[in-house]
Amino acid sequence: AQSVTQLGSHVSVSEGALVLLRCNYSSSVPPYLFWYVQYPNQGLQLLLKYTSAATLVKGINGFEAEFKKSETSFHLTKPSAHMSDAAEYFCAVSDRAAGNKLTFGGGTRVLVKP
Amino acid sequence: GAGVSQSPRYKVAKRGQDVALRCDPISGHVSLFWYQQALGQGPEFLTYFQNEAQLDKSGLPSDRFFAERPEGSVSTLKIQRTQQEDSAVYLCASSSPGERGNTEAFFGQGTRLTVV
Repeated sequence: AQSVTQLGSHVSVSEGALVLLRCNYSSSVPPYLFWYVQYPNQGLQLLLKYTSAATLVKGINGFEAEFKKSETSFHLTKPSAHMSDAAEYFCAVSDRAAGNKLTFGGGTRVLVKP
Repeated sequence: GAGVSQSPRYKVAKRGQDVALRCDPISGHVSLFWYQQALGQGPEFLTYFQNEAQLDKSGLPSDRFFAERPEGSVSTLKIQRTQQEDSAVYLCASSSPGERGNTEAFFGQGTRLTVV
């Protein structure tokens, strides 16, 4: 079975500071990994995905993530936080053996301070 | 349509009432998923359709939950005899054919169900 762990349910950063959201996964097969963002009362929007090509993946809104197989991690970063980055972020792994259903982590809520 | 559409956006049901939640996927998307998101948690898989075939219903929490997609397009998630623990946001997602696991799932805005 696959699983995803996100360390830290809440993260507070100052505007302009580095954003770092941690994600560790467990998978018996090479994983496909995703980061989604959810704004209040909205659905999930894809930020970026790792599909076994480049280990450093660039996404929308200046976010990027690095796949590290040895650490089973897929941490999300953004060099400089913007007020509009305040949202909840979910890491997910795709189950290729069962369609492509997603297993999500518990989410990390980001608060950006001016 | 331009995206995945879900209706209603909000539903308040009395305990014991039956509810039906609708999902209109992106036109042409073969795969359709339902997820349940409890307050403060990540979404959890409920069920998966490929066209009209329900290929995986392992996440449905009880036999009170039933989903269908009779013509391979619109899907309905039905919950019978609702209980307070059913209160959650129900998310629908669809995706187009592609290498398994590699395709992007597009999510609707969800239906927030509150059972009182």
